[in-house]
Amino acid sequence: EDQVTQSPEALRLQEGESSSLNCSYTVSGLRGLFWYRQDPGKGPEFLFTLYSAGEEKEKERLKATLTKKESFLHITAPKPEDSATYLCAVQAGGGSQGNLIFGKGTKLSVKP
Amino acid sequence: KAGVTQTPRYLIKTRGQQVTLSCSPISGHRSVSWYQQTPGQGLQFLFEYFSETQRNKGNFPGRFSGRQFSNSRSEMNVSTLELGDSALYLCASSLQGANGDTQYFGPGTRLTVL
Repeated sequence: EDQVTQSPEALRLQEGESSSLNCSYTVSGLRGLFWYRQDPGKGPEFLFTLYSAGEEKEKERLKATLTKKESFLHITAPKPEDSATYLCAVQAGGGSQGNLIFGKGTKLSVKP
Repeated sequence: KAGVTQTPRYLIKTRGQQVTLSCSPISGHRSVSWYQQTPGQGLQFLFEYFSETQRNKGNFPGRFSGRQFSNSRSEMNVSTLELGDSALYLCASSLQGANGDTQYFGPGTRLTVL
């Protein structure tokens, strides 16, 4: 069964304290792995798409990496405005059109 | 480019009623997916439409249905509402919906069933 597990469930950081969020996945025929950011009461905001092991993408203080079994979202010197829930999702092959399988998310709080 | 829009943003209904939610995708996107988000279950896939055809369906009862119009706009309908249907309903659009296309989400419709 296709599955996505995110850890930790919640993470509290001080401003400037770098850390990583983990996304482990089990999927048949990975078509893509996606990271989103979601603020309370809003829809998920797209961050990154990764397609193959070894791929990396960066945007401001965020960097996403992908291996054959997991992905990491590295946050460098976070600021309070980075506080949000970060969601990881995968699209599997074989009849999975339009279907993203989501993890439960990591709720990040960054204190000034 | 305008993003995905959803209407209405908030709805309050009572048990047994039905509801229709609307989604307008990003211009040029032909695939529309619907998701239900609850605190306990997270985001769960409802169904996906492409060129007015339902291509994929999640594990939800038949009370949940949808359709897509020729301009790619989509609606979803929930009949005979239950308390457990209270959730944030999210619509997402992508170019083709396959092969790792990135999905872009709308702001959601918050449905409360009393």
